[in-house]
Amino acid sequence: ILNVEQSPQSLHVQEGDSTNFTCSFPSSNFYALHWYRWETAKSPEALFVMTLNGDEKKKGRISATLNTKEGYSYLYIKGSQPEDSATYLCAFCNNNDMRFGAGTRLTVKP
Amino acid sequence: DADVTQTPRNRITKTGKRIMLECSQTKGHDRMYWYRQDPGLGLRLIYYSFDVKDINKGEISDGYSVSRQAQAKFSLSLESAIPNQTALYFCATSDPEGGLITGELFFGEGSRLTVL
Repeated sequence: ILNVEQSPQSLHVQEGDSTNFTCSFPSSNFYALHWYRWETAKSPEALFVMTLNGDEKKKGRISATLNTKEGYSYLYIKGSQPEDSATYLCAFCNNNDMRFGAGTRLTVKP
Repeated sequence: DADVTQTPRNRITKTGKRIMLECSQTKGHDRMYWYRQDPGLGLRLIYYSFDVKDINKGEISDGYSVSRQAQAKFSLSLESAIPNQTALYFCATSDPEGGLITGELFFGEGSRLTVL
């Protein structure tokens, strides 16, 4: 069974704070790691698809790193804004399967 | 207009009823998926299809069936709904050159199903 863990489950920060959360996954048979952003009542949207150990990706104030050897990825948000409030999902892919974590629910207070 | 459209968006039904959730897409993708989301759990794959003649079971296919009527349409059926099928259901597509492993998924807005 593929176990994908995300921590923390939820997070409350003040506007302007920088924050980060973790996705842990099996370190064997790695193919890809996806990050999605899911706002309530909307569709989850892809942020990053990462395939190489040591990969770092950035989109605006959001960035992600990947360590496939130890089985984790970090998502960072710099200077959080209320519009960053959402659930952030990661998904681990091996050679024939894709499993999602339960997500980290971020709330940014103005 | 959304590229991946799900209908209905909300449905309340009773135990034993047959329910169909429909998904249509305008992205031109060959690959389509149905996922289920429950509180505290990750998205779980029910069924997926890589083209019109291709149907594959996912992690939790029991109690569900699917039909891929055309490249753009993928429907999910619950033949006899039960309360533990109460969940948020997502349809998704992926690029024909990507896929389940490395291609990003494009999701619909979800269909919330309540089985009483």
